[in-house]
Amino acid sequence: QVQLQESGPGLVKPSETLSLTCTVSGGSISSDYWSWIRQPPGEGLEWIGYIYYSGSTNYNPSLQSRVTISVDTSKNQFSLKVSSVTAADTAVYYCARRSSLYGFHYWGQGTLVTVSS
Amino acid sequence: AIQMTQSPSSLSASVGDRVTMTCRASQGIRNDLGWYQQKAGKAPKLLIYAVSNLQSGVPSRFSGSGSGTDFTLTISSLQPEDFATYYCLQDYNYPLTFGGGTKVEIK
Repeated sequence: QVQLQESGPGLVKPSETLSLTCTVSGGSISSDYWSWIRQPPGEGLEWIGYIYYSGSTNYNPSLQSRVTISVDTSKNQFSLKVSSVTAADTAVYYCARRSSLYGFHYWGQGTLVTVSS
Repeated sequence: AIQMTQSPSSLSASVGDRVTMTCRASQGIRNDLGWYQQKAGKAPKLLIYAVSNLQSGVPSRFSGSGSGTDFTLTISSLQPEDFATYYCLQDYNYPLTFGGGTKVEIK
C-alpha cells in the first residue's frame, strides 16, 4: 500500500521560503506524477504543480514564479519550495500521486503551514 | 485556465435521500473529470475517475455521469458517512483545476 507523508516547518516568516518534503513508502517514486496541492483554511483546493520522476515539472501559472518542485529518487522523496511567502500562502499542503488514468489516487495526510512573524 | 463551477455550494439532506450535485467546465474536457470526497480535517479521497469509473473500494451508491462540459455526481442513498465536501477536478489540461466544492450537510 503506497503511503505519502509530508514533513517540514509548520511556521514560516513572511518573505522567507517555505520548504516541504513528501516521503513515499510502499512503492517506487519512479512512475506516475507527484504533485503538491494546497488548501487555505476554510477554502477549496489549489493544484500547485507536479514533478515526474525523470525531473520534468509543470507548475500552476498562479505560483510559477515562486515555486520549485524537485525529486530525489534515491530517497523516494519529492520536495516543494515556495519563495517570498505571505499570509496568503497559509494553507494545508498535501502531496499526492497522480496517474494519467486514475487522477489523484494517493494523498498524504496534509501539513498545515502558517505564514506569520 | 479551465474554470470548474460546482453547484450547489451546499445542500442539506437526510439519510436515505438521493443526492445529486453538478460540475460545469468552462470548456470541453472530454472525460477527464474526477470526483473527490473530503471529510473535515482529512485529505481528499478519490471516488470516481474518468467521469464514471468507481475507484476500488468506493461503495456502489456513488455514481458519476456527464460529458463535454457538464458532469454529475449522484449518491443513490445517502449514508451517515457520506456527509462531507465533494470536489470535482479536471485533468484535461494544465493547470489542473478543482471546483469550489459542494458541502453535504445533515438535514
